[in-house]
Amino acid sequence: EIVLTQSPGTLSLSPGERATLSCRASQSVSSSYLAWYQQKPGQAPRLLIYGASSRATGIPDRFSGSGSGTDFTLTISRLEPEDFAVYYCQQYGSSLSITFGQGTRLEIK
Amino acid sequence: QVQLVESGGGLVKPGGSLRLSCAASGFTFSDYYMSWIRQAPGKGLEWVSYISSSGSTIYYADSVKGRFTISRDNAKNSLYLQMNSLRAEDTAVYYCARIIAGFWYFDLWGRGTLVTVSS
Repeated sequence: EIVLTQSPGTLSLSPGERATLSCRASQSVSSSYLAWYQQKPGQAPRLLIYGASSRATGIPDRFSGSGSGTDFTLTISRLEPEDFAVYYCQQYGSSLSITFGQGTRLEIK
Repeated sequence: QVQLVESGGGLVKPGGSLRLSCAASGFTFSDYYMSWIRQAPGKGLEWVSYISSSGSTIYYADSVKGRFTISRDNAKNSLYLQMNSLRAEDTAVYYCARIIAGFWYFDLWGRGTLVTVSS
């Protein structure tokens, strides 16, 4: 099973700043099968990025994804107040199972 | 309106059983793979199981294999999760989610239903 490790665990930033979230896989992941989600308290997760770099419908262009192999990044170019939430990466692997990272909490500094 | 609505959660004793349902609307349910994902209180997301559009392909996380059974009824636009031999560590919000096959991401989520396993 592929393990996804997200860092940092918590990121404290101010609105207007740039956020860089990391997702590292224990073995190579196909870029087609790497996604990012945002979750706010009391809500279901929302798809942000799929295929490592494609934005989901309705997602603002301040969100971008990149990476390949074992290292993937979610970048939020200029933080808006509504962006403070928990972010998860997710992969689908050759073992036909699905795993999530443990999450990065993005909090207001 | 495109949506997924889970039901069937509640309080159950360790060793007990519960059946969750997920009602889909606003899209052609039979075209999509579907999945259950759970989230323990204050914890991260854990994939539980998925089922192909026809129901012929099914996979489970090791943590629930042999205890949980996923199924679907395309005529009723519904997804199910039969949970047996429940343990305290199965306590979580259970989400139903739609899978985009080929890319294997979840593009539509329900609001979840809470399952509490406690004596």
